[in-house]
Amino acid sequence: DTGVSQDPRHKITKRGQNVTFRCDPISEHNRLYWYRQTLGQGPEFLTYFQNEAQLEKSRLLSDRFSAERPKGSFSTLEIQRTEQGDSAMYLCASSLRHEGYTFGSGTRLTVV
Amino acid sequence: SQQGEEDPQALSIQEGENATMNCSYKTSINNLQWYRQNSGRGLVHLILIRSNEREKHSGRLRVTLDTSKKSSSLLITASRAADTASYFCATDAGIQETSGSRLTFGEGTQLTVNP
Repeated sequence: DTGVSQDPRHKITKRGQNVTFRCDPISEHNRLYWYRQTLGQGPEFLTYFQNEAQLEKSRLLSDRFSAERPKGSFSTLEIQRTEQGDSAMYLCASSLRHEGYTFGSGTRLTVV
Repeated sequence: SQQGEEDPQALSIQEGENATMNCSYKTSINNLQWYRQNSGRGLVHLILIRSNEREKHSGRLRVTLDTSKKSSSLLITASRAADTASYFCATDAGIQETSGSRLTFGEGTQLTVNP
């Protein structure tokens, strides 16, 4: 297990389509996070799982966004009816309790 | 919204010089972390300093934390061209048993180290 894996690396979609991203965390990490980053900005928190429980959701996570982490392993982030404003880098990270995060390389979403 | 503010927004230095980046934040924290991000890539964790620590070292990195001023600094000594990246501070304000629930990132400092 060499790190956090995200798939796909890039996604181009038409406005109104649904997209789903996958994150595979480091296997022994019980915490998994999703962040969104736009150009020139720092990452913004979206949601957080501890094991399979989604413990916190940002107000940025509108009802078009849903995240799951079945069985406390990999996670998916789905965006329904995409809008141009959803274009961003979506970053997944995992951690073990109080340690620093390990981030994946991100999924860059472009909505055209 | 971003809690942290980094200063400067951009820094350009020559190889071998030291680089200092500053971060200010607004609320009480459990710990503060620094991350590096190369263009278009994910973030790499550099160092974590807890609220009861004042200074921490890791290789060429030195981090200070002043909780009374709600500020931190990251010093990179003897910089190299490979240090060129964006550097972000991030604060963890979670209560102890839930620490790590979210990090709040600043907007970053873009460091360019010229060969």
